[in-house]
Amino acid sequence: DVKVTQSSRYLVKRTGEKVFLECVQDMDHENMFWYRQDPGLGLRLIYFSYDVKMKEKGDIPEGYSVSREKKERFSLILESASTNQTSMYLCATTWATTNTGELFFGEGSRLTVL
Amino acid sequence: AQSVAQPEDQVNVAEGNPLTVKCTYSVSGNPYLFWYVQYPNRGLQFLLKYITGDNLVKGSYGFEAEFNKSQTSFHLKKPSALVSDSALYFCAVRDGSARQLTFGSGTQLTVLP
Repeated sequence: DVKVTQSSRYLVKRTGEKVFLECVQDMDHENMFWYRQDPGLGLRLIYFSYDVKMKEKGDIPEGYSVSREKKERFSLILESASTNQTSMYLCATTWATTNTGELFFGEGSRLTVL
Repeated sequence: AQSVAQPEDQVNVAEGNPLTVKCTYSVSGNPYLFWYVQYPNRGLQFLLKYITGDNLVKGSYGFEAEFNKSQTSFHLKKPSALVSDSALYFCAVRDGSARQLTFGSGTQLTVLP
């Protein structure tokens, strides 16, 4: 089975802190994604990566950056956390040979910014 | 551009009754359609997908979905609901040429005993 592991399930941070959310997958998938989930808004794509050191902006990249130094690891960075970034963050992966593949999700990281 | 709409925030159904969770989509090319389920404080789990072929797609846990091109819909169905089906359901679409998936806002399904 595909395993997508997010490093922290629950985090509480202060406004202005730098926050790292890490995601590791064990299935050699090329594509990795970061979404945030908010009630009534569904999942919104922040950034995605289709190869090591490659990244593309999603629908809501403002206030976020990402890093993909190794194929299995995709990190989401909040340079200066703000209260409006309080949310559930979901990492997902899929293989790249076809875009018909489904996404495999991690368990999520619930971030609260005070 | 691609988009998906789930017109119902909440669906309630009695255990043993059939259930339907609605989804409509908009794409410029051929649609790839997906359903996911989310249990409380968990990530999303894949249920089923339509890529091509038979309009009725069968998936996990007894769920199925019907692709209707003329109505641009992909409704999720199950003949007999279980209390354990209570969860948040997301429809998603990808245009044939796109890398990313676009999700609907989700529908909370509650199956009443």
